[in-house]
Amino acid sequence: ETGVTQSPTHLIKTRGQQVTLRCSSQSGHNTVSWYQQALGQGPQFIFQYYREEENGRGNFPPRFSGLQFPNYSSELNVNALELDDSALYLCASSSGATRTGANVLTFGAGSRLTVL
Amino acid sequence: AQTVTQSQPEMSVQEAETVTLSCTYDTSESDYYLFWYKQPPSRQMILVIRQEAYKQQNATENRFSVNFQKAAKSFSLKISDSQLGDAAMYFCAYRVGSNDYKLSFGAGTTVTVRA
Repeated sequence: ETGVTQSPTHLIKTRGQQVTLRCSSQSGHNTVSWYQQALGQGPQFIFQYYREEENGRGNFPPRFSGLQFPNYSSELNVNALELDDSALYLCASSSGATRTGANVLTFGAGSRLTVL
Repeated sequence: AQTVTQSQPEMSVQEAETVTLSCTYDTSESDYYLFWYKQPPSRQMILVIRQEAYKQQNATENRFSVNFQKAAKSFSLKISDSQLGDAAMYFCAYRVGSNDYKLSFGAGTTVTVRA
């Protein structure tokens, strides 16, 4: 089975620009979540998508938005980039399985965003 | 709000020896899950071990085991017979229930393995 793939792996933007990051979920997974990991810190939850609807959001402003497509892949969009948006953005997918605790997240390798 | 605290920014261990990473968490929930993830330089988070709060028995996965102290809200990870490939950043994480996928992570502990 294929894992979670993210693109691009690295990118550089300037302040005020917009960026789109992409994620292909693991085969059989229908839920995607996004995390922001600043340098030297643990990941912070941005939001989660299930069946193309956002169904959970962390403490991030509205300029962070997302989409999930019918094939369960996902995009993270960030508008009006700020210097503090520089981070590793991780995508994770899961199967939304039954109440067994088996719905463990599978992470991608992330997209490293640098805002200048 | 749930918080996860890892008090050891860095730990060093000799190859073949044992190292224990500390994690404490704060929650008022009774149904939750705890995880340890490993993040090597390749950046991909890899699940090491998980523990369901309702289970009293400590989880074990090969050389990795946890000491889950629910009353103390403590969840430490023991790596036995350390190998060079264990060198990575280790994150403790918490999740409420089984259908809330949001993970709350600690700040991480960098593990160095000396040959």
